[in-house]
Amino acid sequence: RKEVEQDPGPFNVPEGATVAFNCTYSNSASQSFFWYRQDCRKEPKLLMSVYSSGNEDGRFTAQLNRASQYISLLIRDSKLSDSATYLCVVNLGGNKLVFGAGTILRVKS
Amino acid sequence: EPEVTQTPSHQVTQMGQEVILRCVPISNHLYFYWYRQILGQKVEFLVSFYNNEISEKSEIFDDQFSVERPDGSNFTLKIRSTKLEDSAMYFCASSTLAGSYNEQFFGPGTRLTVL
Repeated sequence: RKEVEQDPGPFNVPEGATVAFNCTYSNSASQSFFWYRQDCRKEPKLLMSVYSSGNEDGRFTAQLNRASQYISLLIRDSKLSDSATYLCVVNLGGNKLVFGAGTILRVKS
Repeated sequence: EPEVTQTPSHQVTQMGQEVILRCVPISNHLYFYWYRQILGQKVEFLVSFYNNEISEKSEIFDDQFSVERPDGSNFTLKIRSTKLEDSAMYFCASSTLAGSYNEQFFGPGTRLTVL
């Protein structure tokens, strides 16, 4: 089983749509969780950390379910500039980040 | 805003040659990392480095790889004898502290092409 699993997409949505991405992780000892964004041929950039209580940053909401080992990201009112690959990332407790393969989002006008 | 920088942006080399990829982490950061991303695949951890020592490394980071902080600003990744399968984007990252909750800031990457 992959350490971090994501639906690769692509998700093709119109501007203004709400879109949700899911991610599962295999190691129950995982300690911290993140969503990163990666534009084509660029470096990953932190979008937000994910907490058990859920957290929101503007149009973005992240949720963590430790019991199900499941992480989600909700994007409301999608913009063209949201088009990117969204990476689910897990830290097992050391310094090593474990990345999912990413979910491609394409927002169209 | 401080950022991680990497040079060169693109390196082309012949199989069997040595390459050195260079990174300048954010100045007050103490922890340094290398990751790689083969085209079309996920980002993979290679190594973490603190206080002039490797603190963790992956199975990918075998004897042909080494890291060094030769001075107070640079952090390098050396590949001794490159193979075709080393072709990838190599990202350097740094963080202020260690541990699960500290953000790692990534550089723009060096694209390594091995012919």
